[in-house]
Amino acid sequence: QVQLQQSGPGLVKPSQTLSLTCAISGDSVSSNSAAWNWIRQSPSRGLEWLGRTYYRSKWYSDYAVSVKSRITINPDTSKNQFSLQLNSVTPEDTAVYYCARFYGAAADYWGQGTLVTVSS
Amino acid sequence: EIVLTQSPGTLSLSPGERATLSCRASQSVSSSYLTWYQQKPGQAPRLLIHGASSRATGIPDRFSGSGSGTDFTLTISRLEPEDFAVYYCQQYGSSLFTFGPGTKVDIK
Repeated sequence: QVQLQQSGPGLVKPSQTLSLTCAISGDSVSSNSAAWNWIRQSPSRGLEWLGRTYYRSKWYSDYAVSVKSRITINPDTSKNQFSLQLNSVTPEDTAVYYCARFYGAAADYWGQGTLVTVSS
Repeated sequence: EIVLTQSPGTLSLSPGERATLSCRASQSVSSSYLTWYQQKPGQAPRLLIHGASSRATGIPDRFSGSGSGTDFTLTISRLEPEDFAVYYCQQYGSSLFTFGPGTKVDIK
């Protein structure tokens, strides 16, 4: 059974960097068939896919156009986890953030969600 | 970027009734890449249907998906009390994923 456990601060100041981590159990971040994603949800933007990292003989990352200039998603093979960094946050980045495993084009396992508020 | 539109925004039905939810794409979507989720308050979305019509593991057969091209449908044949929730469609194309705005199925 795959489990994803999220960690990270729930409050970030404007202009600073939002950092979250998703620890994986029951699968490997280096899997050749899964992809590891971050998705957020807010009342104003709904569900918004942010990006993914995955391994297919080498590491790849894809990012949503809306955040491409500010986002990094990195795997950490030593800890079997992956992380999200979102730079230069504004109150518009306030949302519940989820990590999720995609198998093909569907997210079959999700983290518990982390409410991140951007406020001074 | 492909935009997904879901209708209706809210569907008010009684237990035992049939629910028909629509997802329309701004461009053609491969059926292999159309997914449906269910979300209840305070929970992460739950995978229902992948590949437009394949039920995920453990999903009851009252849930079915159909469609192709730009028009897809999620049908719940007989609503159970636990089915009242928000339903989202999602597509994959050009290395990007997008979600629809959701349809809320509430109790009439």
